Amino acid sequence: DAKTTQPTSMDCAEGRAANLPCNHSTISGNEYVYWYRQIHSQGPQYIIHGLKNNETNEMASLIITEDRKSSTLILPHATLRDTAVYYCIVRARDQTGANNLFFGTGTRLTVIP
Amino acid sequence: SAVISQKPSRDICQRGTSLTIQCQVDSQVTMMFWYRQQPGQSLTLIATANQGSEATYESGFVIDKFPISRPNLTFSTLTVSNMSPEDSSIYLCSVEEPRGQPQHFGDGTRLSIL
Repeated sequence: DAKTTQPTSMDCAEGRAANLPCNHSTISGNEYVYWYRQIHSQGPQYIIHGLKNNETNEMASLIITEDRKSSTLILPHATLRDTAVYYCIVRARDQTGANNLFFGTGTRLTVIP
Repeated sequence: SAVISQKPSRDICQRGTSLTIQCQVDSQVTMMFWYRQQPGQSLTLIATANQGSEATYESGFVIDKFPISRPNLTFSTLTVSNMSPEDSSIYLCSVEEPRGQPQHFGDGTRLSIL
């Protein structure tokens, strides 16, 4: 599975949009981009995933560049409860993909009151 | 998504002892996994728990140290054997149903070895 690069940490003001970038320049054609977050003392929580089109759900939006080498997770109105470590993961969805979700080090997002 | 329950949520154990962690899912799932998260680190896959056959271990993890059972499609256990302080970690169970769908995680078992 392709490796990803994320900033170590970011701050965001409460109520503003949080934009979390991720680089995955070696992504393969059959690999999806997944985003998870881990709030302290909890297991990772699935947020969203996509292949090449932009995706939106009740939690966030995912913007994937046309060349698929990078993506951005957008939390439209960050709250204090969004403070967490956010992980960007790429993985194939078919049997060619490893079972492993390679979490990397993630981005520690701190939402500031 | 499936509801995943892990027991115990935390424990403090003496070195040299073993602890079995349970993972219960509220629906039948094909894929179940066990991860470890060492203090301040990210998650690392230990093994895939296969129903009806031996677990598939990742490099660096062996069955003698981390025996796994998967008696049915809703339940699995991970045993941490002959524990040492280096085994102090959070151990997490995850499920994927069907294959290719996002994995969902339990809240983990926080294990401290004295």
